[in-house]
Amino acid sequence: EVHLVESGGGLVQPGGSLRLSCAVSGFTFDKSWMTWVRQAPGKGLEWVANIKEDGSEIYYVDSVKGRFTMSRDNAKNTLYLQMNSLRVEDTAVYYCTTPGPIYWGQGTLVTVSS
Amino acid sequence: DIVLTQSPLSLPVTLGQPASISCKSSQSLVSSDGNTYLSWFQQRPGQSPRRLIYKISNRDSGVPDRFSGSGSGTDFTLKISRVEPEDVVIYYCMQDTKWPNTFGQGTKLEIK
Repeated sequence: EVHLVESGGGLVQPGGSLRLSCAVSGFTFDKSWMTWVRQAPGKGLEWVANIKEDGSEIYYVDSVKGRFTMSRDNAKNTLYLQMNSLRVEDTAVYYCTTPGPIYWGQGTLVTVSS
Repeated sequence: DIVLTQSPLSLPVTLGQPASISCKSSQSLVSSDGNTYLSWFQQRPGQSPRRLIYKISNRDSGVPDRFSGSGSGTDFTLKISRVEPEDVVIYYCMQDTKWPNTFGQGTKLEIK
């Protein structure tokens, strides 16, 4: 059974940083693109970033370019999202997902507020 | 970026009756490989989204056959043949033909 478990969310001040992690099991992690998707409270879904199987290609939505860095550790079956220079509008539940996206984690809430 | 416009944003439904949601794209979603990467998701309150349909009309495993997808090019539709109580939630269309992948705004079904 596929499991994706996000962690690392929390309350941070504008301009601050957070690092999200997503532990994956039951899935051939090192052979799959992976994705972060976010959802602001009461709002719709927004694709944030994609990363290729070996990490050699990464794509970001314009609103996070230069501030967020997606990475992966295939030996640990773990996905990461380093978020710097956080803004109030980055407040959202962040989900990691497999291709499709078929499988989703339960999400981790990031709140950016002073 | 490709904009997906769903309509209606709120859909009053009658249990046991059909329902239909439209998703219109600002550009053709036909990929260079000939596939059209348009999917539909369902999201229940407090839960992660669940994919129902991929590549316009293919149902995911475990999805009831009352859900169907259709369309081509820029116009797509999700249909529920007979709405059940557990279907009265939010639905999103999504394209991953062209980066950045984008979602529609969501359509909330409500009991009439």
